[in-house]
Amino acid sequence: AQSVAQPEDQVNVAEGNPLTVKCTYSVSGNPYLFWYVQYPNRGLQFLLKYITGDNLVKGSYGFEAEFNKSQTSFHLKKPSALVSDSALYFCAVRDNNNAGNMLTFGGGTRLMVKP
Amino acid sequence: EAGVAQSPRYKIIEKRQSVAFWCNPISGHATLYWYQQILGQGPKLLIQFQNNGVVDDSQLPKDRFSAERLKGVDSTLKIQPAKLEDSAVYLCASSLDRLYSPYIYSQYFGPGTRLTVL
Repeated sequence: AQSVAQPEDQVNVAEGNPLTVKCTYSVSGNPYLFWYVQYPNRGLQFLLKYITGDNLVKGSYGFEAEFNKSQTSFHLKKPSALVSDSALYFCAVRDNNNAGNMLTFGGGTRLMVKP
Repeated sequence: EAGVAQSPRYKIIEKRQSVAFWCNPISGHATLYWYQQILGQGPKLLIQFQNNGVVDDSQLPKDRFSAERLKGVDSTLKIQPAKLEDSAVYLCASSLDRLYSPYIYSQYFGPGTRLTVL
């Protein structure tokens, strides 16, 4: 079975400061990892994904994420937060043994960026 | 490129009534997904289609939920009869993924349908 944990319900950061949103996962095989963002009354928007290769993945809107196999983590990061980054962030995992392409999502982390 | 379209955006019904949601995926996307997102939780997969065939419906409450993708393009999700606990946002997503393909694609989501069951 595959699972994802986002240990923080909410992350507060001041505008201009770096931000980190945490994600840990569990799979039986090798993981495919994704980050999505959800703005109010909108569907999920794809930010970035890790499939293989370089552990640091760069995505949309200046976000990046670092894959750490030994810690089974895939934390989302941004060097300088913007107020407009305030939204709900979801980490998702797919096991490479899962031929059905099923994604399992974490419970989400609300990011609040204050001016 | 047009995104995933869903309708209606909002629906309010009373318990025991029926409701249907519609989804039109991104053109060319073979795989279509329906998710249920309860307030405060992450999306949970209900059913996955590849073209007009069901790939995974293990988490679909089949006593009341049904879904179809008859021509392999758009899809409908139906709830009959609805219960209070069905209140949620129903998200449709699509991707270029195919079973057993070595290529991994991202899923693209529609805006969702917010269902309130009274």
